[in-house]
Amino acid sequence: EVQLVESGGGLVQPGGSLRLSCAASGFTFSSYEMNWVRQAPGKGLEWVSYISSSGSTIYYADSVKGRFTISRDNAKNSLYLQMNSLRAEDTAVYYCASGEMATSWDYWGQGTLVTVSS
Amino acid sequence: QSALTQPASVSGSPGQSITISCTGTSSDVGGYNYVSWYQQHPGKAPKLMIYEVSNRPSGVSNRFSGSKSGNTASLTISGLQAEDEADYYCSSYTSSSTHVVFGGGTKLTVL
Repeated sequence: EVQLVESGGGLVQPGGSLRLSCAASGFTFSSYEMNWVRQAPGKGLEWVSYISSSGSTIYYADSVKGRFTISRDNAKNSLYLQMNSLRAEDTAVYYCASGEMATSWDYWGQGTLVTVSS
Repeated sequence: QSALTQPASVSGSPGQSITISCTGTSSDVGGYNYVSWYQQHPGKAPKLMIYEVSNRPSGVSNRFSGSKSGNTASLTISGLQAEDEADYYCSSYTSSSTHVVFGGGTKLTVL
């Protein structure tokens, strides 16, 4: 069974940092492209970042470019999102997502809540 | 403001059909056959319902269908059932730097 389990969310002050993790199991993680998608409370989905299976290709949403860094460790079947210079508008549930297709994702985690507030 | 435009809400009675539109540009919806649709129930992760405009993943009911014309994609749900009540999001590959864009979401109410 495919499982994606996010962790690392919590309350952080504006300007602070947080590192999210996504532990993958039930599929060959090293063969799959991975993404982070977020959802602010009561709002819609927003794609955040993409990383290729090898880690050689990375994309970011304009809203997080220069502040967030996506990475992966295929040996540990894990995906990461380092979030720096956090702002109130980064408050959201963060999901890791993947699937058989590059831009359509049938594997999703349960999400981890990040709250940026003083 | 989302990159793709969806109606905020649609409604229908059980057994009826509804269609949700998703309008983009030639840089996303109109330029590529990489439109997806997701269903999201409250407090749950999104579920992929349609990929590559009109393909259904294994296990998704054939009551769900997708299509595209020009810069607008559509999700049609036929034979509405109570459990279809949820939020629906479209997404598309985009040639812009953002890689993937979502619509703002549509709340489906089954009357």
